[in-house]
Amino acid sequence: NAGVTQTPKFQVLKTGQSMTLQCAQDMNHEYMSWYRQDPGMGLRLIHYSVGAGITDQGEVPNGYNVSRSTTEDFPLRLLSAAPSQTSVYFCASSYFGTGHGANVLTFGAGSRLTVL
Amino acid sequence: DAKTTQPNSMESNEEEPVHLPCNHSTISGTDYIHWYRQLPSQGPEYVIHGLTSNVNNRMASLAIAEDRKSSTLILHRATLRDAAVYYCILRAMEYGNKLVFGAGTILRVKS
Repeated sequence: NAGVTQTPKFQVLKTGQSMTLQCAQDMNHEYMSWYRQDPGMGLRLIHYSVGAGITDQGEVPNGYNVSRSTTEDFPLRLLSAAPSQTSVYFCASSYFGTGHGANVLTFGAGSRLTVL
Repeated sequence: DAKTTQPNSMESNEEEPVHLPCNHSTISGTDYIHWYRQLPSQGPEYVIHGLTSNVNNRMASLAIAEDRKSSTLILHRATLRDAAVYYCILRAMEYGNKLVFGAGTILRVKS
């Protein structure tokens, strides 16, 4: 059972380059989300999705795009990277419901992005 | 989204209990209280959650005030491995709700 898998673990980009951070989960979770964490700071929500075909903005969505074509995958796209997007990115998922494990987030290991 | 307030940092001695407070005065009736922690250089991990009643699991206990405007995460015997940032978050029961994190409490454990 892999849980939430993020790739790549590390990436260095030049300003203006584009890239996609991948997130996949094998738990059939409806909810998926992306957070960024800057040094010494808490997590800030970028985008989230409550199911395939449905996405919505979080606290800091500017500069990022997402799509949710399948339940399993929730990629995060940086169209034109900026140094301000240097951060650690975490993907997380959960399922909705009323059981004990419902609405509890499972996090990936993170992707460290540096934009020069 | 209802907000939570936590102390920036706390310190504890190893093998002693730790009580981490969280205030959530604007909590709604359908908000669950969740606690996560983040060990150094790792992603956050779930600790415990509850709605109204106190909760216990192998990691910690969660004490919820009767009016639900505050809660306390209790680590019964702190170890050096418990040094982490602890986040108290509210999450509504309704389908489609998102989860927003605050700054959390940095817990330092002294040997």
